[in-house]
Amino acid sequence: AQSVTQLDSQVPVFEEAPVELRCNYSSSVSVYLFWYVQYPNQGLQLLLKYLSGSTLVKGINGFEAEFNKSQTSFHLRKPSVHISDTAEYFCAVNEGYSTLTFGKGTMLLVSP
Amino acid sequence: NAGVTQTPKFRVLKTGQSMTLLCAQDMNHEYMYWYRQDPGMGLRLIHYSVGEGTTAKGEVPDGYNVSRLKKQNFLLGLESAAPSQTSVYFCASSALYNEQFFGPGTRLTVL
Repeated sequence: AQSVTQLDSQVPVFEEAPVELRCNYSSSVSVYLFWYVQYPNQGLQLLLKYLSGSTLVKGINGFEAEFNKSQTSFHLRKPSVHISDTAEYFCAVNEGYSTLTFGKGTMLLVSP
Repeated sequence: NAGVTQTPKFRVLKTGQSMTLLCAQDMNHEYMYWYRQDPGMGLRLIHYSVGEGTTAKGEVPDGYNVSRLKKQNFLLGLESAAPSQTSVYFCASSALYNEQFFGPGTRLTVL
């Protein structure tokens, strides 16, 4: 069964600093991977997705993620964060079924 | 395109009352989902549907029922609400293997 681990529940960072949010998954088959962002009191919005092809995926708002099959990881990065990036970020995996498995989320807290 | 809409946005129930949450999508998606979100628990799948007239149980289905009579609508019912069902409920829809599109959520409080 697939599972997703987001290693950090909270990541505090200063504005304009780089950030990495970590995501590991467990699966023995090919997977599709997603990162979602949730701003306060809103639904989830897709940041980026990996279905196939290049392992470096670029998303909205300057975020990118790298799929590493050998380490079963899909870490999210941004070279310089803004206050407006403060939100909760969810990693999700699909093994080819009709459902996604979500991690428990990482709260990114950006301070001036 | 409205995307995914949810009705109502907020609701307060007393223990034992019933209610139905409505989800509608205008993207012609086959797949629809109901999740609940609780602090520190992430999103947990309640029920889902892979097409009109079909439903299936997710991770936490107890206490909930669903129906998908029309392709664009997915209803979530609570027959006898309990305080443990206080949560934020999200509906989503997708095409197969593709990203899920989420509604804005319904905040439910059961007293």
